[in-house]
Amino acid sequence: GEDVEQSLFLSVREGDSSVINCTYTDSSSTYLYWYKQEPGAGLQLLTYIFSNMDMKQDQRLTVLLNKKDKHLSLRIADTQTGDSAIYFCAEISGYSTLTFGKGTMLLVSP
Amino acid sequence: DVKVTQSSRYLVKRTGEKVFLECVQDMDHENMFWYRQDPGLGLRLIYFSYDVKMKEKGDIPEGYSVSREKKERFSLILESASTNQTSMYLCASRVPGLGYTFGSGTRLTVV
Repeated sequence: GEDVEQSLFLSVREGDSSVINCTYTDSSSTYLYWYKQEPGAGLQLLTYIFSNMDMKQDQRLTVLLNKKDKHLSLRIADTQTGDSAIYFCAEISGYSTLTFGKGTMLLVSP
Repeated sequence: DVKVTQSSRYLVKRTGEKVFLECVQDMDHENMFWYRQDPGLGLRLIYFSYDVKMKEKGDIPEGYSVSREKKERFSLILESASTNQTSMYLCASRVPGLGYTFGSGTRLTVV
């Protein structure tokens, strides 16, 4: 079945850039998503990219998609302490359900 | 914006109780989902529904059932709660082309 893999933990200093990586296996994925979960809360959709795109930028967020390698990344510029959270990568193909990675915990230190 | 509301943030129930977790969305979406989230295991799909009175099993349906009598409401039922069902439960509604919108979650503790 489909699988989505992420590293479990990333630690950066405030003001640095953060890059969270994700790999997926389903070559028919149509959309790929990044969600953010703050402690004790539900998941919040951060951004998404359609599979025929290579890059999408939204303010401090840059999503890069390498469809050949099935690799997705989320770059957060000028990372702030408020960006500390768990980030989930997810993919979907057609009308099937979202498949999530296990999440990357981002810790931003002052 | 789509709003997905879960009726309780925290619940404590006893082993063997029947537990209802309620989820309501306000945008007439057809697709709704229930996940549970556990440390180290990520999000696991329990059940989902493509329309009223329709339900499909996810990856871990055992010990759960669901009800979708109205389009806006999707209920998760624990027929006889057990301690291994202590978890964070997340409901979501699908926004076509925009992924899922999640509720705030219900943290259920079964004692």
